[in-house]
Amino acid sequence: QSVLTQPPSASGTPGQRATISCSGSESNIGTQIVNWYQHFPGTAPKLLIYKTTQRPSGVPDRFSGSKSGTSASLAISGLRSEDEATYFCAVWDDGLNGWVFGGGTELTVL
Amino acid sequence: QVTLKESGPVLVKPTETLTLTCTVSGFSLSNGRMGIAWIRQPPGKALEWLAHIFSNDEKSYRTSLKSRLTVSKDTSKSQVVLTMTNMDAADTGTYFCARIPPLLWFGENVFDYWGQGTLVTVSS
Repeated sequence: QSVLTQPPSASGTPGQRATISCSGSESNIGTQIVNWYQHFPGTAPKLLIYKTTQRPSGVPDRFSGSKSGTSASLAISGLRSEDEATYFCAVWDDGLNGWVFGGGTELTVL
Repeated sequence: QVTLKESGPVLVKPTETLTLTCTVSGFSLSNGRMGIAWIRQPPGKALEWLAHIFSNDEKSYRTSLKSRLTVSKDTSKSQVVLTMTNMDAADTGTYFCARIPPLLWFGENVFDYWGQGTLVTVSS
């Protein structure tokens, strides 16, 4: 049971838009910035979104982040086959005084 | 090019002590307020933050595991070491190290680079 709740899977067809949610509480998402990562099995996770909405250099603007209350979302527009990966959210938690993570959402591009 | 690589035993016995090393390259552990965190992922479960250490040697541990964890760094070797005592089957999982960049780069509480992880199995 992860502190942050994500759907285990999501899917879309090429060109479509996919949205992945991350639900938490006041002690984490409600008061902290949200970071999103892309993870291919056996490789290092890659920072996709930081400070809830910002993209690091080199990350396409097809990826966007948002937050409302204690929930955050990652949107991927113009889906491509290479977007098939696991995506997880990560947030600092004031109660834990450390980071908490979502369980990860496996995205399939049909 | 920034890289982090975890290394350590693949298999440990129950009650033994696990020692993992995170070797970094492309940056210095003494630069600014740089930090390294240890995170693990039990099979089929979510990631779990364990501990972190900053360039000024400030450390923090997950409360539930604090009595079992020690994190240290050797700046000259570009390494951060995590030890976990009294290993149990529940500690089986993939262990990652990740970089916490200085605040001015990406804001606070973010990991900008990760290692690919190392799988540790606890079994007799």
